[in-house]
Amino acid sequence: QKEVEQNSGPLSVPEGAIASLNCTYSDRGSQSFFWYRQYSGKSPELIMSIYSNGDKEDGRFTAQLNKASQYVSLLIRDSQPSDSATYLCAVGLYNNNDMRFGAGTRLTVKP
Amino acid sequence: DAGVTQSPTHLIKTRGQQVTLRCSPKSGHDTVSWYQQALGQGPQFIFQYYEEEERQRGNFPDRFSGHQFPNYSSELNVNALLLGDSALYLCASSYRAGQGEQYFGPGTRLTVT
Repeated sequence: QKEVEQNSGPLSVPEGAIASLNCTYSDRGSQSFFWYRQYSGKSPELIMSIYSNGDKEDGRFTAQLNKASQYVSLLIRDSQPSDSATYLCAVGLYNNNDMRFGAGTRLTVKP
Repeated sequence: DAGVTQSPTHLIKTRGQQVTLRCSPKSGHDTVSWYQQALGQGPQFIFQYYEEEERQRGNFPDRFSGHQFPNYSSELNVNALLLGDSALYLCASSYRAGQGEQYFGPGTRLTVT
């Protein structure tokens, strides 16, 4: 079992729709959770961080964390073509000293 | 506010050679983590440096070593390069090891031939 698992996609949504990205992790001791966006040929860019159960909203982005289910998700509302990228889920172990990434979900937003 | 910088941008080396990659953290950050990202994969944690010491190490061989300088900048050294070392090498900086978000630099694309 991989430490951090994501659906590889591709996930395709129409412009203006809600995109839902999911991630599960195996280590119950994980303490911090992050979503990064990576455009092709570029480095990852931090979108959201979440540390406690529940929802965290930032603009069009909402991160959801459920530690009991070892599940973290990212919702993108009013998706735009510029949101087309690979979204990486990252989980911090040992207080962020060791961050583990999923393989990423490729999102395409069609105009 | 200066972000994370890395050099060089691209590098081509031959099997068996050694390479040194450099990273300067974001202003105000004191911790540097290094990652290797193969094509189509997520970044893999190599190690983290804080207070000029290696604090945590991922599952990488001893051919991978690093250093952090008093100004918080860092180097990643890879000896005896293998073809499989070809990847994007990413540096991420943060404040106080074990706390807060990590911000990535643009990366160094290493090609081993």
